[in-house]
Amino acid sequence: GAVVSQHPSRVICKSGTSVKIECRSLDFQATTMFWYRQFPKKSLMLMATSNEGSKATYEQGVEKDKFLINHASLTLSTLTVTSAHPEDSSFYICSACSSGVLYNEQFFGPGTRLTVL
Amino acid sequence: AQKITQTQPGMFVQEKEAVTLDCTYDTSDPSYGLFWYKQPSSGEMIFLIYQGSYDQQNATEGRYSLNFQKARKSANLVISASQLGDSAMYFCAMRPFSNYKLTFGKGTLLTVNP
Repeated sequence: GAVVSQHPSRVICKSGTSVKIECRSLDFQATTMFWYRQFPKKSLMLMATSNEGSKATYEQGVEKDKFLINHASLTLSTLTVTSAHPEDSSFYICSACSSGVLYNEQFFGPGTRLTVL
Repeated sequence: AQKITQTQPGMFVQEKEAVTLDCTYDTSDPSYGLFWYKQPSSGEMIFLIYQGSYDQQNATEGRYSLNFQKARKSANLVISASQLGDSAMYFCAMRPFSNYKLTFGKGTLLTVNP
């Protein structure tokens, strides 16, 4: 199956710093990538949808200036948590899909655990 | 808008027995796909099985089968011959064919006892 990687897998940072998380599709071209946030023992909440070469579409309640998403190529999307605070601590998961797949299955990355001190 | 309901926060099953995880959904879209994912403690989301709304037969993938009852808007996951490695969170999800967005249920934590 298709492989999606995320980097870093775990990050600890001080409050006020910015953190960039990368999501890469390793063996396919991802026309669309998604960013999810998951709190402990909770479900995945979609934050935004990004299409290569265009601005991301954010879900209601997600701050665009707080969570910057860039989808510069068909294999890479980045999520930057700007001026991170302890409440931003969470598990961030990306997924990617490509057009033409039978049922447009989303392939998930392994996730990034962010801890803001 | 789509809504996924998983009413079982936790389930226990004995090793080698079968278990059913419940999922009901609500959508106004006429065409959609239903998915089940497994999330072990390591966090990665593992795709298990897919059912399209127009599929006449229930989907099966090895020990996983999806009991799809369209009129009742339910898509229960059946795991046969449970193994210790099946212990994990299980999420039901839905995506309308009109867009790519997946909506997830709250999940069911399955524990397989030896």
